[in-house]
Amino acid sequence: IAGITQAPTSQILAAGRRMTLRCTQDMRHNAMYWYRQDLGLGLRLIHYSNTAGTTGKGEVPDGYSVSRANTDDFPLTLASAVPSQTSVYFCASSVGGQESEAFFGQGTRLTVV
Amino acid sequence: GQNIDQPTEMTATEGAIVQINCTYQTSGFNGLFWYQQHAGEAPTFLSYNVLDGLEEKGRFSSFLSRSKGYSYLLLKELQMKDSASYLCAVLDSNYQLIWGAGTKLIIKP
Repeated sequence: IAGITQAPTSQILAAGRRMTLRCTQDMRHNAMYWYRQDLGLGLRLIHYSNTAGTTGKGEVPDGYSVSRANTDDFPLTLASAVPSQTSVYFCASSVGGQESEAFFGQGTRLTVV
Repeated sequence: GQNIDQPTEMTATEGAIVQINCTYQTSGFNGLFWYQQHAGEAPTFLSYNVLDGLEEKGRFSSFLSRSKGYSYLLLKELQMKDSASYLCAVLDSNYQLIWGAGTKLIIKP
C-alpha cells in the first residue's frame, strides 16, 4: 500500500543519546516534512525538504538535523536528545509545497528520560 | 504574531450537526486546510478553502470568510467514528502552514 512509513513507532531514549527517526515514502512526492505534536499546541514544523538534495529549517529546528539524499527517504536526527524533545513526531509529504494536501506517517512517539 | 484559534473540545450527539470554528490572524493568507486526526493516528486531509464560501463534500462542509479571518467545519449526521480531533491550518503569505491546536470532538450516543 502506497504511503509513508515511519520507524520506530515508539522509543524511550536516554538523554544525551543520538537517535535517528526514519521516514520513507513511495508516492514520489517532491516535498517532505518533519513535525512535532505536543499536547495543547498545533503541529510545529521542524525541517522540510522541497526536493531531493535540498532541506530547510522550520519553526523549531534547534537540536534536529535532516538529510534528503533521494526522493523517498527523509531521516530526522537528534544529535544529543534532551527531555524537551519528548513528543510525537510526524513525517509528511506532498506533491508540491505546503499548499498541497499533506500525507502523514503514523508517527513516532519519543520519550527522552 | 500569527495565531489560529479553535475551541479545545466540543461534545455532540450521534445523528446531530456540529460546527467547529476556526479564527486566524496571520501574515497574509493563501488558503485554509482542515484535517481530521483520530486519537493515536496520523492527520488526514479533509478540505482546502482558498476562496470565500462553502465547499461541500458529503457529510462534511467547510466555509471560509477571508474578510473576517474565519472558517468553520460543518459535520452533519454525526457518527461515532467522527469522534476525533479536527485541525485547522492556514497557509500564510510565505506559503508556510500555521496550525491550530485542534478541536477534540466527542460524539455521544
